[in-house]
Amino acid sequence: DAMVIQNPRYQVTQFGKPVTLSCSQTLNHNVMYWYQQKSSQAPKLLFHYYDKDFNNEADTPDNFQSRRPNTSFCFLDIRSPGLGDAAMYLCATSKSFYLTEQYFGPGTRLTVT
Amino acid sequence: QKEVEQNSGPLSVPEGAIASLNCTYSDRGSQSFFWYRQYSGKSPELIMFIYSNGDKEDGRFTAQLNKASQYVSLLIRDSQPSDSATYLCAGRRGSARQLTFGSGTQLTVLP
Repeated sequence: DAMVIQNPRYQVTQFGKPVTLSCSQTLNHNVMYWYQQKSSQAPKLLFHYYDKDFNNEADTPDNFQSRRPNTSFCFLDIRSPGLGDAAMYLCATSKSFYLTEQYFGPGTRLTVT
Repeated sequence: QKEVEQNSGPLSVPEGAIASLNCTYSDRGSQSFFWYRQYSGKSPELIMFIYSNGDKEDGRFTAQLNKASQYVSLLIRDSQPSDSATYLCAGRRGSARQLTFGSGTQLTVLP
């Protein structure tokens, strides 16, 4: 089945220790998104790629970076995680932007100790 | 004013009843709307997608869009306890790259 896969599902890291979260998709979608979601809040868009075109949201901290080496994979790098970065990180994909659905992966729950 | 507003709930309905979830939006340029279901600790799951005025039905779910009044609703017929979740409404302006999410409505279906 075509799908969006995220690894790991749970990640524990220490304060200040870099961490990388990964996302892969078999949908062959052009657009990949990274969201941060904290408890009882709506998902907050961090950035997205349309193919290799990278778009950073204005309020995304510099501590967060992303790479998309090919159509199928996208990575979220948190350079120096703080306690406030503990959240669910959601990867989503979309074929394009206009009148198309956006599908989420299962998420990675990040804990910062 | 938030761009997409939902009543946070909780909304409780008895099993077998119709659950009605509502969403209003302020951006008249919004053209497509999405309903996601999110179980606690899980990621959002797309239920319905609507961009034309009127009703769109899929099984027990009906999405309704009224662009003149700027509201979107989701009806769940024959509600089941397994429908208990947070329902997120999201809108997209034209070919805008991002969705704008509401904060979600928590639904509880009582056995």
